[in-house]
Amino acid sequence: GENVEQHPSTLSVQEGDSAVIKCTYSDSASNYFPWYKQELGKRPQLIIDIRSNVGEKKDQRIAVTLNKTAKHFSLHITETQPEDSAVYFCAASDASSASKIIFGSGTRLSIRP
Amino acid sequence: DTEVTQTPKHLVMGMTNKKSLKCEQHMGHRAMYWYKQKAKKPPELMFVYSYEKLSINESVPSRFSPECPNSSLLNLHLHALQPEDSALYLCASSQVTLAVRNEQFFGPGTRLTVL
Repeated sequence: GENVEQHPSTLSVQEGDSAVIKCTYSDSASNYFPWYKQELGKRPQLIIDIRSNVGEKKDQRIAVTLNKTAKHFSLHITETQPEDSAVYFCAASDASSASKIIFGSGTRLSIRP
Repeated sequence: DTEVTQTPKHLVMGMTNKKSLKCEQHMGHRAMYWYKQKAKKPPELMFVYSYEKLSINESVPSRFSPECPNSSLLNLHLHALQPEDSALYLCASSQVTLAVRNEQFFGPGTRLTVL
């Protein structure tokens, strides 16, 4: 089955700087890669996703890149703001099941004022 | 309506109790999920229902019993739980296949404490 590794586990950046979170996956058949943001005590919410036929996707200050050859994908947040502080999870679809996604271990992002 | 609702928000139960968690969505999604999330960990998949049929059981102990009475409702029946089952239980829904826009929408969760 699919295995997703995520780094770093914690990340602290100065407000206004950029943050980058990286993930690798094991199954080359995986084709859907969502990123979820979970604030303390809240539900996970999708912030951006990318499919394997696309190399990069951007939505305002958030972008995701995918390298299928290397089997890794990254989340980039530019001009970070205090409200970006949260835990971020990457995930990958499991090729054996259309409904199943496998989560990475999470990155706790803190934005320093 | 793009929301998944869950009740109750909090639940405290003893190891001999029987309780149920409820989840509801009205987005027309035909896939529904139960996840368990421990503190500082990612959501861990427990069950998937597809078209009201159980399609995935991630080797969950039988003290957790899921039920999908119709396309909008998902229940999780709890019996004889252990203290280590204390966690946030998240429900989610999505389109059945990961073909188009297949975001999983999560409910707010039920915070379960087993004494």
